[in-house]
Amino acid sequence: DTGVSQDPRHKITKRGQNVTFRCDPISEHNRLYWYRQTLGQGPEFLTYFQNEAQLEKSRLLSDRFSAERPKGSFSTLEIQRTEQGDSAMYLCASSLTTPDTQYFGPGTRLTVL
Amino acid sequence: GENVEQHPSTLSVQEGDSAVIKCTYSDSASNYFPWYKQELGKGPQLIIDIRSNVGEKKDQRIAVTLNKTAKHFSLHITETQPEDSAVYFCAAHFGNEKLTFGTGTRLTIIP
Repeated sequence: DTGVSQDPRHKITKRGQNVTFRCDPISEHNRLYWYRQTLGQGPEFLTYFQNEAQLEKSRLLSDRFSAERPKGSFSTLEIQRTEQGDSAMYLCASSLTTPDTQYFGPGTRLTVL
Repeated sequence: GENVEQHPSTLSVQEGDSAVIKCTYSDSASNYFPWYKQELGKGPQLIIDIRSNVGEKKDQRIAVTLNKTAKHFSLHITETQPEDSAVYFCAAHFGNEKLTFGTGTRLTIIP
């Protein structure tokens, strides 16, 4: 296994459009995390899954955001009706236990025009 | 609340010299402190971590020290090399599932 992968790496969209990102964690990791990172800042927690259950959501995750992990493996993050303020790097991480090392993927850079 | 402060925000050192980055955290219950290195256009990469039952940990040129009483931890990079240039983030685990990150330090190694 080569680590956490994310797709796409870059996404440019127009305001009001919906976008969906995918994350494939390290195969044996049952914990999966989504973070958002804006320019010059550290990653900020969005949501967390243990297996297929979404157990925690940040206040940053507005109603326009939804995340799923249907079979406890890959996860998707959807943003509906995108706004310019959604422009950021969306990072996925996975870990085996907690507290433990969270391994990050390369991120999806979203630009909303 | 859960807060991590990181200093300095930028750091330039001559190649071969040492670099030190410091972080403080708000919650004494924190028990896990990783450091990540992030290069341009890439995701954060773990470089070293320390748990609250340990005061110091070293891995080749990189070391981390933890002072639980003062609630601060530091990253030390010795014999710096040009490839050490990157943004470094400290983080803390506050007993829930997420990591709370500092604001980052842009380290530049001057050849």
